[in-house]
Amino acid sequence: GENVEQHPSTLSVQEGDSAVIKCTYSDSASNYFPWYKQELGKRPQLIIDIRSNVGEKKDQRIAVTLNKTAKHFSLHITETQPEDSAVYFCAASTDSGYALNFGKGTSLLVTP
Amino acid sequence: GAGVSQTPSNKVTEKGKYVELRCDPISGHTALYWYRQSLGQGPEFLIYFQGTGAADDSGLPNDRFFAVRPEGSVSTLKIQRTERGDSAVYLCASSLTVGEQYFGPGTRLTVT
Repeated sequence: GENVEQHPSTLSVQEGDSAVIKCTYSDSASNYFPWYKQELGKRPQLIIDIRSNVGEKKDQRIAVTLNKTAKHFSLHITETQPEDSAVYFCAASTDSGYALNFGKGTSLLVTP
Repeated sequence: GAGVSQTPSNKVTEKGKYVELRCDPISGHTALYWYRQSLGQGPEFLIYFQGTGAADDSGLPNDRFFAVRPEGSVSTLKIQRTERGDSAVYLCASSLTVGEQYFGPGTRLTVT
């Protein structure tokens, strides 16, 4: 089955700096890649997603890039703010199996 | 509009007991998913419904776990003969189309 690896497991940046989180996947049939933000004790929130027919997608301060050949995708957060502090999860799925396979998460801390 | 809701928010039960966890999806969402999240891990897929039928139950860990969605809306996850290892946050998600899954707040299950 699909295996999604995510790193780093923890990331600390200063307010205003950029943060990058990387994920790799094993199943070449995967074609949908969402990112979720989860604050402590809260539900995972979908923040951005990308499908395999595009290489990059941007929404204000966040962007996701996808390299299908290398089977990796990344989340980029620019001009980080303390409220960006949370655990971020990447995930992958295929059309044939709608289940999301999640990475283990990255705990991001943005210090003022 | 209203998001995905789950009840109860917390459930403490004794080893060997039976529990039911309820999920109310976003109105009109035909797809419903159950995941389980252990501390420090990403959500782990359990089962996916398209309408009333279970389209993929490959993530259910064993036959003590069962889920139903009799009218294609509300779903109930049932766990028989609970074990301490079943302790986790059980998350429900729904989607209108493939991908873009929106999560509920979860039910924290503690088996003593």
